[in-house]
Amino acid sequence: SAVISQKPSRDICQRGTSLTIQCQVDSQVTMMFWYRQQPGQSLTLIATANQGSEATYESGFVIDKFPISRPNLTFSTLTVSNMSPEDSSIYLCSGYRGTEAFFGQGTRLTVV
Amino acid sequence: DAKTTQPPSMDCAEGRAANLPCNHSTISGNEYVYWYRQIHSQGPQYIIHGLKNNETNEMASLIITEDRKSSTLILPHATLRDTAVYYCIVRGNMEYGNKLVFGAGTILRVKS
Repeated sequence: SAVISQKPSRDICQRGTSLTIQCQVDSQVTMMFWYRQQPGQSLTLIATANQGSEATYESGFVIDKFPISRPNLTFSTLTVSNMSPEDSSIYLCSGYRGTEAFFGQGTRLTVV
Repeated sequence: DAKTTQPPSMDCAEGRAANLPCNHSTISGNEYVYWYRQIHSQGPQYIIHGLKNNETNEMASLIITEDRKSSTLILPHATLRDTAVYYCIVRGNMEYGNKLVFGAGTILRVKS
């Protein structure tokens, strides 16, 4: 298995500001993804974090709002830019290795 | 889009078997059935996956019908700690970049 650590675990931010979430995997994974989970909802895939190149975004998500980096095989960041209260969600990092996907505990973001 | 249909909620008595159904009538030949669960305030946890044969591990059993259009996750002796949202997901081989797309899942409530 793989252990995925996210930082921060939670934060309260002012609208209009940006927050960068870090995701660290304890061992190499082939692919990394970012998900959003709005209150009371299921997980929605934001993007695939590609090592050394631009992330691949799902429909409804854009790079200007959610810039993503993945400088190596074990680390990625997601930035939530120009935040509004609608961005209040849990953001989860996921890593795939072999036939399994592993998830971090998530970052609980509240925008006020 | 999620390719599975699950009941929104189920109840189970503690110590009894919990049988969670999932319909995936449009599954293709190279797609696997995965089950994950999410306990409140945690990231999703892998349970089990299968292609066409029944599978069993230390957590659960997965029964896939012969036509592969439906499956059942069995928790043989449910405990209160098994209360969670259970997600049935159909996807291709992760190593080829196929992503986990979450549906609404089934809320399982284990009651004493």
